[in-house]
Amino acid sequence: DIVLTQSPLSLPVTPGEPASISCRSSQSLLRSNGYNYLDWHLQKPGQSPQLLIYLGSIRASGVPDRFRGSGSGTNFTLQISRVEAEDVGLYYCMQTLQTPHTFGQGTKLMIK
Amino acid sequence: QVQLQESGPGLVKPSQTLSLTCTVSGGSISSSDYYWSWIRQPAGKGLEWIGRIFPGGSTNYNPSLKSRLTISQEKSTNQFSLKLTSVTAADTAVYYCARGVGGGAVDSWGQGTLVRVSS
Repeated sequence: DIVLTQSPLSLPVTPGEPASISCRSSQSLLRSNGYNYLDWHLQKPGQSPQLLIYLGSIRASGVPDRFRGSGSGTNFTLQISRVEAEDVGLYYCMQTLQTPHTFGQGTKLMIK
Repeated sequence: QVQLQESGPGLVKPSQTLSLTCTVSGGSISSSDYYWSWIRQPAGKGLEWIGRIFPGGSTNYNPSLKSRLTISQEKSTNQFSLKLTSVTAADTAVYYCARGVGGGAVDSWGQGTLVRVSS
């Protein structure tokens, strides 16, 4: 199975400040079509997860442009340019390159 | 806008079979653009991918669950289902159904349903 390792696991952030989450994969997630099969999901408190970023860097519909996904191969980053109170929750990276699909452990973003 | 809704018993006895159904509205499970997944989350823990089914009926299962797992679909009712046999307390979790796009990202999730395994 592909193992995804996220860091940090806990991320306190002051509103208006930037935040960054890393996701490292045990295998390259780059397919021959040029796409990285790495997605980011946010699980807000008491809710089901929601897709933020897919194929490494493409924002899902309705996702604010303060969210940015980057990286390729085995190293990926989710950046939030200016954190807002509504961004609190658990952030998960997920690979869909091969089955079983796997998730990172989750990063809990909280407001200072 | 597609919506997914899980349904099934909230309590299952150990060694019995856990059965859940996902009802899809606002989209067809027959569409070749999508696949349909089950994902679970034990209380206070992370997400675990269970498996998926494609419109043509082919499936992929998590090897850790494969011997106990069946995912099926019923196109006439626009539903897909999960059956997990010989359950134990370790199968207690919130179970989510979800839609995946092509061969890639999960873009829509159900609200989740809590299943407890207890006598």
